[in-house]
Amino acid sequence: DTGVSQDPRHKITKRGQNVTFRCDPISEHNRLYWYRQTLGQGPEFLTYFQNEAQLEKSRLLSDRFSAERPKGSFSTLEIQRTEQGDSAMYLCATGDTTFGDEQFFGPGTRLTVL
Amino acid sequence: AQSVTQLGSHVSVSEGALVLLRCNYSSSVPPYLFWYVQYPNQGLQLLLKYTSAATLVKGINGFEAEFKKSETSFHLTKPSAHMSDAAEYFCAVRTLSGGYQKVTFGTGTKLQVIP
Repeated sequence: DTGVSQDPRHKITKRGQNVTFRCDPISEHNRLYWYRQTLGQGPEFLTYFQNEAQLEKSRLLSDRFSAERPKGSFSTLEIQRTEQGDSAMYLCATGDTTFGDEQFFGPGTRLTVL
Repeated sequence: AQSVTQLGSHVSVSEGALVLLRCNYSSSVPPYLFWYVQYPNQGLQLLLKYTSAATLVKGINGFEAEFKKSETSFHLTKPSAHMSDAAEYFCAVRTLSGGYQKVTFGTGTKLQVIP
């Protein structure tokens, strides 16, 4: 499977714990995006990487959230001191200038904070 | 700022009937518009996109959308619904921020297909 993959697919954690999600992009895609999707809503932009550089962060991304893409390949999204309001689906999407504006989405990681 | 509004959070159609999902956009520049589909517990898949070429855009699975500047609309249609079309559909617009592109999504429309 050469699509975008995300791990884990589901995560249940207790409030106050830290969680980390991983996204593996389609090979050679230089753009990588993280989105958060809550029930009944469309995906909301969180952050964007071009290669290893984080170029934009949404105001939704509080100080408890941090994302990295150390070698311009896979990316991680960490949430520290989780809150119940962090419960959502976290989606990763990747793209490349070859494909213009199209973003290819992974299956998402569903986070439940108890 | 660019945005999209989807009218109707839930739409029900009978199998074989016309599917019409509505999307209106707001943009100060010529927009790039998209329709995505999301099946339960899956990521989003691109159905079709408008990039200022032909106003009638054909996508996958028999879907198409027509860009109407006068109505600021980009409605998604399919002549005959199949059971497999039951999913959530998102309209989206490309926005430019800080010299790069990002996509802003609508709130989605859940399509139910009744046998």
